[in-house]
Amino acid sequence: QVQLVQSGAEVKKPGASVKVSCKASGYTFTSYDINWVRQATGQGLEWMGWMNPDSGNTGYAQKFQGRVTMTRNTSISTAYMELSSLRSEDTAVYYCARGASGSGFDPWGQGTLVTVSS
Amino acid sequence: SYELTQPPSVSVSPGQTASITCSGDKLGDEYACWYQQKSGQSPVLVIYQDRKRPSGIPERFSGSNSGNTATLTISGTQAMDEADYYCQAWDSSTAVFGGGTKLTVL
Repeated sequence: QVQLVQSGAEVKKPGASVKVSCKASGYTFTSYDINWVRQATGQGLEWMGWMNPDSGNTGYAQKFQGRVTMTRNTSISTAYMELSSLRSEDTAVYYCARGASGSGFDPWGQGTLVTVSS
Repeated sequence: SYELTQPPSVSVSPGQTASITCSGDKLGDEYACWYQQKSGQSPVLVIYQDRKRPSGIPERFSGSNSGNTATLTISGTQAMDEADYYCQAWDSSTAVFGGGTKLTVL
């Protein structure tokens, strides 16, 4: 079955960077975009950006431009999201989700809790 | 920036029909999607391209989108449908989510 499995929880200090991985299985990794979405506790969903695993092309939400980098390793069907200059407001669950043009995000990974605290 | 507006909460009795709206400027010109998120779980796609259901999603979930409003309708609502629901659309290569609606099945 199609599945996205993310890396485990992280605790980071303000100013540091975090890199979350998302391993795909059950489909051809390079055939679908990977999107990243985050959710602070008790809050709604916030889209961060997308990456085309085939070309490596990316598109980032304006809010995260300059702080986020999305990459991939096609040999192991894994996508990565790195967020730098972390601040307390970045504390959230980060999700990866497979996307296809006009077809929504499906499925989603299990989420990775990133806690930013001094 | 583009915004999608949802009511914060909707209540429905078991067996009745629940309707959750999502409003945005000329939303009907774009495809809308809907996600269900139960407490402590990852979101699940329940409607895409305005009205299509992914495999495994019950027929009681349906969608529409016209003008400035997309609507998710749950017919014969069950207790298991209690969750947060989010609409989503694309605007100039940017994905936008609504603020979410908490559906309570009383």
